[in-house]
Amino acid sequence: DAGVIQSPRHEVTEMGQEVTLRCKPISGHNSLFWYRQTMMRGLELLIYFNNNVPIDDSGMPEDRFSAKMPNASFSTLKIQPSEPRDSAVYFCASSQGQGAGQPQHFGDGTRLSIL
Amino acid sequence: QKEVEQNSGPLSVPEGAIASLNCTYSDRGSQSFFWYRQYSGKSPELIMFIYSNGDKEDGRFTAQLNKASQYVSLLIRDSQPSDSATYLCAVNGGFQKLVFGTGTRLLVSP
Repeated sequence: DAGVIQSPRHEVTEMGQEVTLRCKPISGHNSLFWYRQTMMRGLELLIYFNNNVPIDDSGMPEDRFSAKMPNASFSTLKIQPSEPRDSAVYFCASSQGQGAGQPQHFGDGTRLSIL
Repeated sequence: QKEVEQNSGPLSVPEGAIASLNCTYSDRGSQSFFWYRQYSGKSPELIMFIYSNGDKEDGRFTAQLNKASQYVSLLIRDSQPSDSATYLCAVNGGFQKLVFGTGTRLLVSP
């Protein structure tokens, strides 16, 4: 079975450019999560969706970040304009079920470097 | 602020020994507990989850949960050099959210 698929795997861009990260969750999973991981702050939850609806975006750092989930099989995380401090690995994860705290399965991540 | 605490390590054990990784959490209402393994440059990989007090075994891995003391641990028996990685503890933080610790780095020496 296909796991969570993220693209691109690596992104290098200049400060001020728009960056779009993409995620395809595991088929049948109804929750999708975007995380950011850095050495300093560890793994941080940015936003998560349940049945395509954003539930909690309190982790989104600022208005430069936005996320959408137009359907059950696709989500995007957009940064506009990008800044060097946004450099990190961004992971997408998905889970299924409605109970409290179902296991989440992670994609391979996007390593983002803002110059 | 719900918190999950882990010793950053590194925890060094010789090959064949038992590695014991510990995690404490602040939210007494937490119900679901997870251990993830993350190799350098890779994504977190789910290895164990536990919902009830006591022990849960899966191969060389045993998860232990003590809700009264608010700690969860992971034991790795017969540690192998391939077990060298960072182990992340995660606790449910409301609805579907997981709160992750910063991880414990495990080094298994041949």
